[in-house]
Amino acid sequence: SQQGEEDPQALSIQEGENATMNCSYKTSINNLQWYRQNSGRGLVHLILIRSNEREKHSGRLRVTLDTSKKSSSLLITASRAADTASYFCATDGNQFYFGTGTSLTVIP
Amino acid sequence: NAGVTQTPKFQVLKTGQSMTLQCAQDMNHEYMSWYRQDPGMGLRLIHYSVGAGITDQGEVPNGYNVSRSTTEDFPLRLLSAAPSQTSVYFCASRQQGPRETQYFGPGTRLLVL
Repeated sequence: SQQGEEDPQALSIQEGENATMNCSYKTSINNLQWYRQNSGRGLVHLILIRSNEREKHSGRLRVTLDTSKKSSSLLITASRAADTASYFCATDGNQFYFGTGTSLTVIP
Repeated sequence: NAGVTQTPKFQVLKTGQSMTLQCAQDMNHEYMSWYRQDPGMGLRLIHYSVGAGITDQGEVPNGYNVSRSTTEDFPLRLLSAAPSQTSVYFCASRQQGPRETQYFGPGTRLLVL
């Protein structure tokens, strides 16, 4: 069974708004990574947060990790139409496990 | 660097046919893996390899074989294709270790009739 589950499954926002998506996982991890997938394309790595970190920033991305709740969140600030994509969390224990993804639509 | 490359980009098979999906990386990564992506299912790990000569099963290995004779190449073989194997297949690679980023190929779309 898959390790991670993203929430919500789909999200639609106006350009300029912030988008928040969440990921829950089941077992202990070494790190958690977020990926973006544009329609019909491969996955692109966005950000990695280690199990001993609680928050990490990269440009307009902010990721938090709560290992006690086995959850992570990805915040995209000041969203743009180009952010429209599916976003996946992936947990790295002994192997990589991906969630089912959040489909984000940013309306211009 | 070309990164992770996959061939073919698209393939149509008849039930029972065999084929090999090719994956190559030029980053000298020890760890390589194959995933399949189905609608609403995210990515599921099929097989992975931690180095040349070493392979292991992931979540959904049935119906697939792999081998790793070189660091660069990690082919995925379907010995007798079934409609349930219709999917998009992604190959990925990374350096060994728990904190390394995984790099993905562009994917192979497979349709089994």
